[in-house]
Amino acid sequence: DTGVSQNPRHKITKRGQNVTFRCDPISEHNRLYWYRQTLGQGPEFLTYFQNEAQLEKSRLLSDRFSAERPKGSFSTLEIQRTEQGDSAMYLCASSSRLTPNTGELFFGEGSRLTVL
Amino acid sequence: DQQVKQNSPSLSVQEGRISILNCDYTNSMFDYFLWYKKYPAEGPTFLISISSIKDKNEDGRFTVFLNKSAKHLSLHIVPSQPGDSAVYFCAANKWDMRFGAGTRLTVKP
Repeated sequence: DTGVSQNPRHKITKRGQNVTFRCDPISEHNRLYWYRQTLGQGPEFLTYFQNEAQLEKSRLLSDRFSAERPKGSFSTLEIQRTEQGDSAMYLCASSSRLTPNTGELFFGEGSRLTVL
Repeated sequence: DQQVKQNSPSLSVQEGRISILNCDYTNSMFDYFLWYKKYPAEGPTFLISISSIKDKNEDGRFTVFLNKSAKHLSLHIVPSQPGDSAVYFCAANKWDMRFGAGTRLTVKP
């Protein structure tokens, strides 16, 4: 078990370009979360999947953002027409419905986006 | 809407002494509270949690206290060790998890 894997680890792009991040959760985990973290802040919730169903989206997730989890395994987060304000660390986390609902999440190392 | 607040951005303690990290929340509907630790270039890792029906949970050197009437929780680390130096995030869970801004703990040898 390699834990939650995210790639790329770092993406530098020009304003207006599209970027896509991938997350591979822990294999037996059916819940997958995307968070965004900016400097000096804690992780901010973006969206949540249970299996392939996207159950919740934060109002932070503008229409330029889209997330998918097509087969209930890996997930992608796409940002279209990137803006400098999108520069942040994008964190993926997963959890299992089989564990008590303490909310414990297992985080990946994150994908850092820099928009020039 | 910042529902979880950590008002101290940093804390420095001497090795062997107690570290106390504080957290306040506003939403009384939260049913679990958690502490995560984050080292540079890594994602946050779970440290300890407490249910809203309890007021204390202990795990080795780490103890979390919950005061529901004050909507306040704290993490005590005793004794503090240099390896505890990291950013600590308080988090609260109902339908999704909300995080505080973090407190950077430095434990000096």
